Amino acid sequence: GENVEQHPSTLSVQEGDSAVIKCTYSDSASNYFPWYKQELGKRPQLIIDIRSNVGEKKDQRIAVTLNKTAKHFSLHITETQPEDSAVYFCAAKPGGAGNMLTFGGGTRLMVKP
Amino acid sequence: GAVVSQHPSWVICKSGTSVKIECRSLDFQATTMFWYRQFPKQSLMLMATSNEGSKATYEQGVEKDKFLINHASLTLSTLTVTSAHPEDSSFYICSARHRDRTYEQYFGPGTRLTVT
Repeated sequence: GENVEQHPSTLSVQEGDSAVIKCTYSDSASNYFPWYKQELGKRPQLIIDIRSNVGEKKDQRIAVTLNKTAKHFSLHITETQPEDSAVYFCAAKPGGAGNMLTFGGGTRLMVKP
Repeated sequence: GAVVSQHPSWVICKSGTSVKIECRSLDFQATTMFWYRQFPKQSLMLMATSNEGSKATYEQGVEKDKFLINHASLTLSTLTVTSAHPEDSSFYICSARHRDRTYEQYFGPGTRLTVT
């Protein structure tokens, strides 16, 4: 089955700096890669996603890049703010039937004011 | 749009009792709902996938007789933890896939279960 690895597990940046979180996946047929933000005790919120036919997608301060050949995708957050502090999860949807997601282990991002 | 609710948000029960958790898609129809379990500071672990009107598909290692899932309508799925034990204490989160959107999943707020 699909295996998703996420790095780093914790990331501390200064407010205004950029943050990058990286994920690798194992199933070359995976075709959908969402990123979720989860604040403490709350539900995961979809913040951005990318499909396998696209190499990059941007939404204001966040962007995701996908390298299908290398089977990795990354989340980029620019001009970080304290409210960006949360746990971020990447996920991959394996190809074929079914809509389940396989999640990475999560990255705890701390933005220091 | 795409709001998912869960009820209850937290529950405390005694060992041996059963607890039912509801997951509802409030403003959309969900052909598929997913149940996850999340331990503190850990990732989301998929327990089962439920499709409206059919039996749930359980992930390896998840006891289907212990975690009963029913997806009776396009807006409601339930998870019943039967004969609960302290090791079942966890944060249970559901998600729903919008019928008209290919891949996106929307999560409920979660239910914290504590078994004493």
